[in-house]
Amino acid sequence: GDSVTQMEGPVTLSEEAFLTINCTYTATGYPSLFWYVQYPGEGLQLLLKATKADDKGSNKGFEATYRKETTSFHLEKGSVQVSDSAVYFCALSTAGGSYIPTFGRGTSLIVHP
Amino acid sequence: EPEVTQTPSHQVTQMGQEVILRCVPISNHLYFYWYRQILGQKVEFLVSFYNNEISEKSEIFDDQFSVERPDGSNFTLKIRSTKLEDSAMYFCASGGTGGMVETQYFGPGTRLLVL
Repeated sequence: GDSVTQMEGPVTLSEEAFLTINCTYTATGYPSLFWYVQYPGEGLQLLLKATKADDKGSNKGFEATYRKETTSFHLEKGSVQVSDSAVYFCALSTAGGSYIPTFGRGTSLIVHP
Repeated sequence: EPEVTQTPSHQVTQMGQEVILRCVPISNHLYFYWYRQILGQKVEFLVSFYNNEISEKSEIFDDQFSVERPDGSNFTLKIRSTKLEDSAMYFCASGGTGGMVETQYFGPGTRLLVL
């Protein structure tokens, strides 16, 4: 079945540091890939997405590139802020799965001033 | 920007009681979903709903769960006889204005605590 693997957290960084959160996937067919963010006490918000190979999703300074050859969708940000502290979920969906997302376990990011 | 809303934000109930969690999806969306997230664990799919019927459900969605769209705007999840292990954050989501839906938009969640 489809699955998403994310790096274990928490990831702890100082403000303005570079962020990478790794995500790899296994899927039949051609998935769409997503990053969702969950701020403390809130629900899931769609951060960015990519629907085909080599697409780059970007939003709020975050980027992720759909790499079919490595089945990866790593999340990056050049300079994190304290307000980026949250849990980040990588997810995929496929037509064969009725576009119901399969989520990774989430990676907690803590940014210190 | 339109958003999915959920009520209540928190609910505490006694084991064996019935609870109804409410959601108002984005108005022109056609597909509706419920998910749950047990504390510290991944988000799990419960059920999807389209054209006034369940289109898919997971093995978690057993006979104690039911969903309903009682009017043109609300989408509810009922848990008939709550168990301790039902304590979780429950998320509603909606998506799709026609045909397949690629992206789902999530509500803020209802935190359910069963004592």
